[in-house]
Amino acid sequence: AQSVTQLGSHVSVSEGALVLLRCNYSSSVPPYLFWYVQYPNQGLQLLLKYTSAATLVKGINGFEAEFKKSETSFHLTKPSAHMSDAAEYFCAVPNDYKLSFGAGTTVTVRA
Amino acid sequence: DAGVTQSPTHLIKTRGQQVTLRCSPKSGHDTVSWYQQALGQGPQFIFQYYEEEERQRGNFPDRFSGHQFPNYSSELNVNALLLGDSALYLCASSPGLRNEQFFGPGTRLTVL
Repeated sequence: AQSVTQLGSHVSVSEGALVLLRCNYSSSVPPYLFWYVQYPNQGLQLLLKYTSAATLVKGINGFEAEFKKSETSFHLTKPSAHMSDAAEYFCAVPNDYKLSFGAGTTVTVRA
Repeated sequence: DAGVTQSPTHLIKTRGQQVTLRCSPKSGHDTVSWYQQALGQGPQFIFQYYEEEERQRGNFPDRFSGHQFPNYSSELNVNALLLGDSALYLCASSPGLRNEQFFGPGTRLTVL
């Protein structure tokens, strides 16, 4: 079964700095990959999805992710962090129409 | 267009009790999946309902059961509650069996 691993449980960035969240998938190339965001006391919101149509995927709120087969990675980036980006971020891969999630990365943004 | 809705928002139960959580899928969606998210962890798949039948199930004991109604809404039932059942329970829906799922706000269950 497909799985994902998120490196770094907590990332702290300054407002305006680059945000980089790491996600690696298991060996076989998945047809889909997702990044979700969870704000405090809320459910999950889809940030972006990879569907093999393009390796660079743009999402909402200025986030993007690049699929790199050679590195089995799907890292999430945002060029300039905003205070409103403080949240928990999850990478996910589907297995027979059910999602397997990474452990999550909590982002803190410093003023 | 209402998204996925869940009720109640919060719930407090004691060990050994039973609980029922409810989910209404997004309009046009007929598939409902349930996930458990323990504090500080990623969501874990419990089970999925499609055409009123449990289509697949994750690694959860039989104390966890569910149901899907003809209007596609769903219930999650947990019997004989344990302290370890304290978590955020998330419902997700999709139009048919699809990889992209839309999540509700969750129900926070606390077992004392």
